[in-house]
Amino acid sequence: AQTVTQSQPEMSVQEAETVTLSCTYDTSESDYYLFWYKQPPSRQMILVIRQEAYKQQNATENRFSVNFQKAAKSFSLKISDSQLGDAAMYFCALYSKGGSEKLVFGKGTKLTVNP
Amino acid sequence: AAGVIQSPRHLIKEKRETATLKCYPIPRHDTVYWYQQGPGQDPQFLISFYEKMQSDKGSIPDRFSAQQFSDYHSELNMSSLELGDSALYFCASSLSVPETQYFGPGTRLLVL
Repeated sequence: AQTVTQSQPEMSVQEAETVTLSCTYDTSESDYYLFWYKQPPSRQMILVIRQEAYKQQNATENRFSVNFQKAAKSFSLKISDSQLGDAAMYFCALYSKGGSEKLVFGKGTKLTVNP
Repeated sequence: AAGVIQSPRHLIKEKRETATLKCYPIPRHDTVYWYQQGPGQDPQFLISFYEKMQSDKGSIPDRFSAQQFSDYHSELNMSSLELGDSALYFCASSLSVPETQYFGPGTRLLVL
């Protein structure tokens, strides 16, 4: 079975500061992909970043970067220079090749950005 | 860039009625997925299609059915609606598996 755990239901950060959202996962597959999606109040699901398990290098997208620790099955998201528009629910998601085609999501972390 | 299109964006139905949700994937994307997100919940996978064939099935009630058409758009048909079906229904598309799934804006279904 595949599971994704986000242990922080809520986080807050000051504008321009850095925040890290945690995610741990479990899968028996050796080939898998990890994602962070952002869901603002509009409830649109927006892809933030993607990491292939076979890549050792951590993915980065502008102010967003991940810390992928494969042995520990950890996949945290770091947001640098936080902006008011970063306020949203953030979901960590797992896709395991060879198993179901579905994305398995964590319960989400609600991020508040304080001005 | 073109995104996934879903229609309608909002839908209000009575119990026991039928609803049809439509999804138009990103051009050239051949795989479509349906997810259901209840209030305060994470999205749950319902069903997926690859090249017009059902490719995977999740926790989709027997009252629901779906298909993908020759132009790759997909429809989710929901019958005998129940109050618990009220949710946000997402369609996502990808260029073959396991490419990244891109989500549409969702259809908000309210069953009264």
